[in-house]
Amino acid sequence: KAGVTQTPRYLIKTRGQQVTLSCSPISGHRSVSWYQQTPGQGLQFLFEYFSETQRNKGNFPGRFSGRQFSNSRSEMNVSTLELGDSALYLCASSLAESTNEKLFFGSGTQLSVL
Amino acid sequence: QKEVEQNSGPLSVPEGAIASLNCTYSDRVSQSFFWYRQYSGKSPELIMSIYSNGDKEDGRFTAQLNKASQYVSLLIRDSQPSDSATYLCAVMGYGNKLVFGAGTILRVKS
Repeated sequence: KAGVTQTPRYLIKTRGQQVTLSCSPISGHRSVSWYQQTPGQGLQFLFEYFSETQRNKGNFPGRFSGRQFSNSRSEMNVSTLELGDSALYLCASSLAESTNEKLFFGSGTQLSVL
Repeated sequence: QKEVEQNSGPLSVPEGAIASLNCTYSDRVSQSFFWYRQYSGKSPELIMSIYSNGDKEDGRFTAQLNKASQYVSLLIRDSQPSDSATYLCAVMGYGNKLVFGAGTILRVKS
C-alpha cells in the first residue's frame, strides 16, 4: 500500500510569490491534515480536511489556505510569501473513522523563501 | 503553559541501556496519545499509540499513560545507535488535530 505522497519535495520561492503544495493520502484515508515544521516552533497544525470540507484550522494567517478534492487529494496554498514561511510542510492522512485515529505523514515539502 | 511539554534533551544513553522519554499535557479531556520518531531530514514516523491508563508494549518500546497525572512516557529497552533520533509526543485534540511537543533528542552511544 502506497504511503502519503507529497509533491514537490523541494521548492525555492521569493518573497511575495505564491506556492501550491500537493498531497495524496493513503488509499482509503479520507482525512488530510497539514502541519508546518520549523526549528523554532516545532510542528504546528495548519488545517484538516475531511470529505472536501475544512473541519479544523490552526492559528495561521489567511495567506495559508487549502482544499480537498473528491478523491481525497489535498492542496495547500500560501500567498504573498514571507521569509518566515520557510519551513518543512508536512501532510498527514488518516481514516478519520474515530477520535483515536493514527496519522501517517508524508515526506514533506521543504519550502525556502528568499 | 504549552499544551504538550517535553524535555528537549539531548538525552544520552549507552548502547543496550533503557532510554526513558517523558511528556506532560495540559488538556485533561485528551484521549489519544502518540509517540513519533523523526530522524534528521525525515518526516515523523508513528511508533506507538496509547489510549488507556497503564502500559502498552511493542517490541523494545513501552508506552506508559497516566491520565490523572497527565503524563505519557516512552521506554526504549536495549537502546541501539539506530534509535538516535528526535522523539515527538503528540496528543489528539478536537477535530483530529494533533498537538505536538517540541521533541526530545535521543543519542545512543555505541
